[in-house]
Amino acid sequence: EPEVTQTPSHQVTQMGQEVILRCVPISNHLYFYWYRQILGQKVEFLVSFYNNEISEKSEIFDDQFSVERPDGSNFTLKIRSTKLEDSAMYFCASSVRIQELFFGSGTQLSVL
Amino acid sequence: SQQGEEDPQALSIQEGENATMNCSYKTSINNLQWYRQNSGRGLVHLILIRSNEREKHSGRLRVTLDTSKKSSSLLITASRAADTASYFCATAPSMDSNYQLIWGAGTKLIIKP
Repeated sequence: EPEVTQTPSHQVTQMGQEVILRCVPISNHLYFYWYRQILGQKVEFLVSFYNNEISEKSEIFDDQFSVERPDGSNFTLKIRSTKLEDSAMYFCASSVRIQELFFGSGTQLSVL
Repeated sequence: SQQGEEDPQALSIQEGENATMNCSYKTSINNLQWYRQNSGRGLVHLILIRSNEREKHSGRLRVTLDTSKKSSSLLITASRAADTASYFCATAPSMDSNYQLIWGAGTKLIIKP
């Protein structure tokens, strides 16, 4: 069964460093998303991407964040200068139709 | 405003019993979805119910939606130890060009063998 894959599963970084989280969405999906979940808190929407551009973003997704689909298969989330409060599980998702999502297993980001 | 609030926050039952979790929301929706998350793992889509549907079944799962009360319930029948997980409802607001899902805090379900 096709699935969304995310790498790495765990990422530890120093505050102020740049990180890139990688995702390979399901191949025939058109919509791509990043969500995050801070430990013990709700899942939060970050950004959606469609037709090679951001379709919607939340207040969390500030200038420190960017997304890219550099080729036909990868979808990346970059955090330019990480802060302690960026520590969370980051989930990539993709979908054929809006709002019917398939999620990856997540990247646990720890900012020290 | 926050929506997608589940209750109870935690539920512990014996294997074989039925588990019912509830979700309430505040704004109009296109659909409501239930997800499962095993500890430290990803989110697994369980079932989606559209705003014009009242009930939906998938295996041992039964979801109901009452748009007049802005609430949904997830019933897991004949629970198994493997059903132990956190369950989240997520709503898709019915606004134009709205791509995001809004999530509740989840119900932690423990099935005791």
